[in-house]
Amino acid sequence: DGGITQSPKYLFRKEGQNVTLSCEQNLNHDAMYWYRQDPGQGLRLIYYSQIVNDFQKGDIAEGYSVSREKKESFPLTVTSAQKNPTAFYLCASQGFSTGELFFGEGSRLTVL
Amino acid sequence: AQSVTQLGSHVSVSEGALVLLRCNYSSSVPPYLFWYVQYPNQGLQLLLKYTSAATLVKGINDFEAEFKKSETSFHLTKPSAHMSDAAEYFCAVSSGSARQLTFGSGTQLTVLP
Repeated sequence: DGGITQSPKYLFRKEGQNVTLSCEQNLNHDAMYWYRQDPGQGLRLIYYSQIVNDFQKGDIAEGYSVSREKKESFPLTVTSAQKNPTAFYLCASQGFSTGELFFGEGSRLTVL
Repeated sequence: AQSVTQLGSHVSVSEGALVLLRCNYSSSVPPYLFWYVQYPNQGLQLLLKYTSAATLVKGINDFEAEFKKSETSFHLTKPSAHMSDAAEYFCAVSSGSARQLTFGSGTQLTVLP
C-alpha cells in the first residue's frame, strides 16, 4: 500500500546522544515535512523539503538536522543540542494538487 | 500570513448528540482548508478538505464542514456522535503560494456514554 512509514515507533535516548528518525514514502511526492507534537501545543514545523537535495528550516529547527538525498526518504536527526527532545515526531508528505498532507504513524522519543 | 484558531481545546458530547468543533482562519487569499483526526499515539488522518469547490464538504464517518467566507469559518459537524469519535481534531489552512499548512492547536473530543 502507498503511504508514509516512520521508524522506530518508540525510541529511548540517553542525554547527549544523537538519534535519527526514519521517514520513507512511496507516494512519489516531492514535498516532505517534519513536525513535533507536544501535549496541548498542536503541531510545530521543524524542517521541510520541497525537492531532493533542498530543505528549509521551520519554526523550531534548532537542535535538529535533516537530509534529502532521495525523493523517498527524509530522515530527521535529533542532536544533543536539542534541549528538550522528548516528544512525538510526525513526518508527512504533501499531495500535488490540493496540498493535503499524508502523515506517518509517528515516532515517540523519550530522553532518559 | 495565515493562521487558524480552534475554539475550545476540549469538547464533551453525549453519544448520539450533535458534534460541533469550531475553526476560524485568517488568510489574505482564498484558502484551502482541512480537518484531520488523530487517535492516541497515531498519525493524523484526513477527514475532509475544502478546495474552492462546494462550500459544504462531506468527509469520512459522516463528518462534514461548511466553508463560510463571510465568517472566515470552517466548523466541523457530525449529526450523531459515536464512542469511536473520541479523538483529537485539528483544523489546518494553506493559501496562495504558501503550500505549508498551518495547524490549529487542536480540540480533544470526549464522547460520554
